[in-house]
Amino acid sequence: DAKTTQPTSMDCAEGRAANLPCNHSTISGNEYVYWYRQIHSQGPQYIIHGLKNNETNEMASLIITEDRKSSTLILPHATLRDTAVYYCIVRVAIDYKLSFGAGTTVTVRA
Amino acid sequence: EPEVTQTPSHQVTQMGQEVILRCVPISNHLYFYWYRQILGQKVEFLVSFYNNEISEKSEIFDDQFSVERPDGSNFTLKIRSTKLEDSAMYFCASSETNTEAFFGQGTRLTVV
Repeated sequence: DAKTTQPTSMDCAEGRAANLPCNHSTISGNEYVYWYRQIHSQGPQYIIHGLKNNETNEMASLIITEDRKSSTLILPHATLRDTAVYYCIVRVAIDYKLSFGAGTTVTVRA
Repeated sequence: EPEVTQTPSHQVTQMGQEVILRCVPISNHLYFYWYRQILGQKVEFLVSFYNNEISEKSEIFDDQFSVERPDGSNFTLKIRSTKLEDSAMYFCASSETNTEAFFGQGTRLTVV
């Protein structure tokens, strides 16, 4: 019962912005959108999360559409070290677990 | 920068043996989690722990698994009688407020 849909893979040029889409058309009003990434079987790394408003931190920006049915993670200046699997996860605040899907394998090329 | 530390990085054990995987969460965090990832598969939630008790567990977390916070700093996962299918990377995570979780680098468990 996947709650999010992401492309299987995408390539990005080093130094360019990487825009990672995620569809979550069945999201409910109290579910947050979280993004994590996993670099080559290391532990997942938190990137950002949001509810309705766009969010930005030192790693990325999260743009959530007004109807909340989709979002985009933006890595502003991708580097080779950003090559990873990126996971978009929806989660209610009171939930303890993160449900990881297959994610998007992002390859940053020089 | 504070980080979640897991030991050992790799553990090999014989089928039927008990294993204990250890984790030191970030010091001011109150929520603790275990996840696993079988090679080539998705990261799967096992259990969460808050206020000295299990707050949520998955179907995977059966009677063979247990968690403990034996002192103020460690958080352990015990598998009583390991099976071949328990071979996986086990990730510990912690969170201050059950929002962003910080993961350790994992323990690779190989059951032979």
